Amino acid sequence: EPEVTQTPSHQVTQMGQEVILRCVPISNHLYFYWYRQILGQKVEFLVSFYNNEISEKSEIFDDQFSVERPDGSNFTLKIRSTKLEDSAMYFCASSALAGPYEQYFGPGTRLTVT
Amino acid sequence: GIQVEQSPPDLILQEGANSTLRCNFSDSVNNLQWFHQNPWGQLINLFYIPSGTKQNGRLSATTVATERYSLLYISSSQTTDSGVYFCAVERADYKLSFGAGTTVTVRA
Repeated sequence: EPEVTQTPSHQVTQMGQEVILRCVPISNHLYFYWYRQILGQKVEFLVSFYNNEISEKSEIFDDQFSVERPDGSNFTLKIRSTKLEDSAMYFCASSALAGPYEQYFGPGTRLTVT
Repeated sequence: GIQVEQSPPDLILQEGANSTLRCNFSDSVNNLQWFHQNPWGQLINLFYIPSGTKQNGRLSATTVATERYSLLYISSSQTTDSGVYFCAVERADYKLSFGAGTTVTVRA
């Protein structure tokens, strides 16, 4: 069964450093998403992406964040200058079409900023 | 934005027991999904259920869209059912809004 994959599973970085989280969505899907979950809290939407541009973004998704689909398979989230409060689990998701279609989630990348 | 409320916040079960988790939402939705977050933090898709009833093994779910709620049933619970169960809804705005979750602990 096709699945969304994410790398790395765990990333440790120092405050102020740039990180890139990578995702490979399901191959025939067209919509891509990033969510994050701070430890002990609920999952929060960050951004949705379609046709090489952002469809929707939350207030969390400020200028420190960017997304890109550099080739036909990868979807990346970049955090330019990490802060302690960026420590969280980051989930990538994809869907065949936009809502109301099911979103399929990857296993997550746990980002720890020290 | 849309409000998603899950109850109860915590649930402790003896192995073999049945339980019902509830998700209320504040507005009409086009998508509703249930997830199980395992101890490793992974979100496992359980159901895509904007309306109606579905069953998958010992789990089943019902969404009554007109009354803005969904129920997740766990029957004959096992220790592997432990974890956090999340309900998430979408109002055709390309984003899922998650509830705070129900933490289920199944004791042997």
